[in-house]
Amino acid sequence: DTGVSQDPRHKITKRGQNVTFRCDPISEHNRLYWYRQTLGQGPEFLTYFQNEAQLEKSRLLSDRFSAERPKGSFSTLEIQRTEQGDSAMYLCASSAIWGGTPNEQFFGPGTRLTVL
Amino acid sequence: RKEVEQDPGPFNVPEGATVAFNCTYSNSASQSFFWYRQDCRKEPKLLMSVYSSGNEDGRFTAQLNRASQYISLLIRDSKLSDSATYLCVVNESTGKLIFGQGTTLQVKP
Repeated sequence: DTGVSQDPRHKITKRGQNVTFRCDPISEHNRLYWYRQTLGQGPEFLTYFQNEAQLEKSRLLSDRFSAERPKGSFSTLEIQRTEQGDSAMYLCASSAIWGGTPNEQFFGPGTRLTVL
Repeated sequence: RKEVEQDPGPFNVPEGATVAFNCTYSNSASQSFFWYRQDCRKEPKLLMSVYSSGNEDGRFTAQLNRASQYISLLIRDSKLSDSATYLCVVNESTGKLIFGQGTTLQVKP
């Protein structure tokens, strides 16, 4: 399968614990995006990378959240000191950029986080 | 005010019905527009892009009105398999997607 993959698919943790999610984009896609989706809402943008550079972060991304894409391939999203309000689906998407124009974003299956 | 607003529904329609969804967006500088489909507990998938000239893909027709900042999706001859959440999406110049809340469609036999 050459689509976007995410790991783990589900994570249950206790409040105050740290969690880390991984996203593997489609090979050769230089753009990688993270979104968060809560029940009954559409996905909300968190941050994105072009290659290894993090180019934009949403105000939703508090200082407990950090994302990296160290070699411009896979990315990790870490949440420190989790809170119950962090419970959501975390979606990763990737796209290619040609001629300065981003193309279709392909989404991974998401990581569903439950904070008890 | 939300950047992209949709009526969450649900829309309950019989098979074969025609159903229309609308959404409005607030940023007049938005670059491109899409409808995504999301099945329960699955990731969003691109349904179609939306252009001012209107575009059609089989039973689906999408339309953009830039002056009114209004986007629509029309589904003709609804099938049971069309049951899903339809997300109105605006793409800003940076490439990030701004999603509406989604409109839930339930097609019944």
